[in-house]
Amino acid sequence: QVHLVQSGAEVKRPGSSVKVSCRTSGGSLSSYPITWVRQAPGQGLEWMGQIIPIFGATDYAQRFQGRVTFTADESTSTAYMVLSSLRSEDTAVYYCARAYAVTHNWFDPWGQGTLVTVSS
Amino acid sequence: EIVLTQSPGTLSLSPGERATFSCRASHTVTSNYLAWYQQKPGQAPRLLIYGASSRATGIPDRFSGSGSGTDFTLTISRLEPEDFAVYYCQQYVSSPYSFGQGTKLDVK
Repeated sequence: QVHLVQSGAEVKRPGSSVKVSCRTSGGSLSSYPITWVRQAPGQGLEWMGQIIPIFGATDYAQRFQGRVTFTADESTSTAYMVLSSLRSEDTAVYYCARAYAVTHNWFDPWGQGTLVTVSS
Repeated sequence: EIVLTQSPGTLSLSPGERATFSCRASHTVTSNYLAWYQQKPGQAPRLLIYGASSRATGIPDRFSGSGSGTDFTLTISRLEPEDFAVYYCQQYVSSPYSFGQGTKLDVK
């Protein structure tokens, strides 16, 4: 059974960048899209975008364009999300999740989430 | 971009009752490309339903999904104590793969 294991909580200063990792255990990244979703405190789920590791193809939500970068390392079965120019509004739990397929983007399983706190 | 609107915002029911959640899309959700998730406090979301009506692996049959076009429903036939959580719908017709704002199910 596939599990996604994310890196630990981060505290960052405004204007800096954060890198969150998402390692797949029990399976490979391969052709499954890895999607990133964030959840601000007390708020709903917000889709940030996705990467198809085998192709390196990315799709970013417009509001994050230019500020977020997704990468993947198939040798370690790990996907990464870098969010730059951090501001307080970026304080949230960031989740990675695997999509069923390129054309069937429902998400299962999910990582446990990584809390990113942006504070001066 | 497809916007999903869920109603009600909060649903207050008792164990044993039936729960019905609504998800309305701003544009047609073709091929019934709609999923439902459950999220409990401090946990990641869990997939319940995909393709509008197919239960994910391990999901009890008290959970069912229905609908087409722009109107979709998640039903829990008989509430168990562990079902009290927040429920989200999500469309995967086209990017951005948006979520509804969620419906909180709490104990009456």
